Amino acid sequence: QTVVTQEPSVSVSPGGTVTLTCGFDSGSVSTTSYPSWYQQTPGQPPRTLIFNTNRRPSGVPDRFSGSILENKAALTITGAQADDECHYYCVLYMGDGNWMFGGGTTLTVV
Amino acid sequence: EVQLVESGGGLVQPGGSLKISCAVSGLPFSNYWMSWVRQAPGKGLEWVANIKQDGSEKFYVESVRGRFIISRDNAKNSIYLQMNSLRAEDTAVYYCSNWGSYAFDLWGQGTMVTVSS
Repeated sequence: QTVVTQEPSVSVSPGGTVTLTCGFDSGSVSTTSYPSWYQQTPGQPPRTLIFNTNRRPSGVPDRFSGSILENKAALTITGAQADDECHYYCVLYMGDGNWMFGGGTTLTVV
Repeated sequence: EVQLVESGGGLVQPGGSLKISCAVSGLPFSNYWMSWVRQAPGKGLEWVANIKQDGSEKFYVESVRGRFIISRDNAKNSIYLQMNSLRAEDTAVYYCSNWGSYAFDLWGQGTMVTVSS
């Protein structure tokens, strides 16, 4: 079965820029994978950051952006802040009405 | 203010059944697909099921297909998840979310389901 992959952990300096990726273990991500991204702090429900590859819900700062880079979905955070330190999950469409989350990336701001 | 409020979680024995609910307010409920997503303790998120606006289409992750049933009552602005033949690996916080533009949108606080003897 195809698996959605994310980096387990990534670090960024305060004020820096970081890109998290989301891919298939076999195959390429495209816009028809409808990638979306979610932010979660411990003990809280997820928060939607990006949907449909690169669209932001109202209220999400524009320093969060989505794209397709080298056959993977990408979430780029510019001007990283201390409270960006948490878990980030992506979701991809698998076909036949099925969706799959990646395993999540723990972002450290240090 | 939009609110999604899950309820009905608890402790259930392996092989048992439980039905959880999600009440939605502050948005045009009948316009949205709705979803259940779960998170096992210390683990990542897992999509569980989706249901179309009129209930005519339903999709499930393979691990729950044939055991769980998603349903909705548009008159009560609510969705449900009937969980049968529960297993230890179903232990998780279950979140409901409205679904739009090919993504989860707003989320509830979740309800904890524990499967243990």
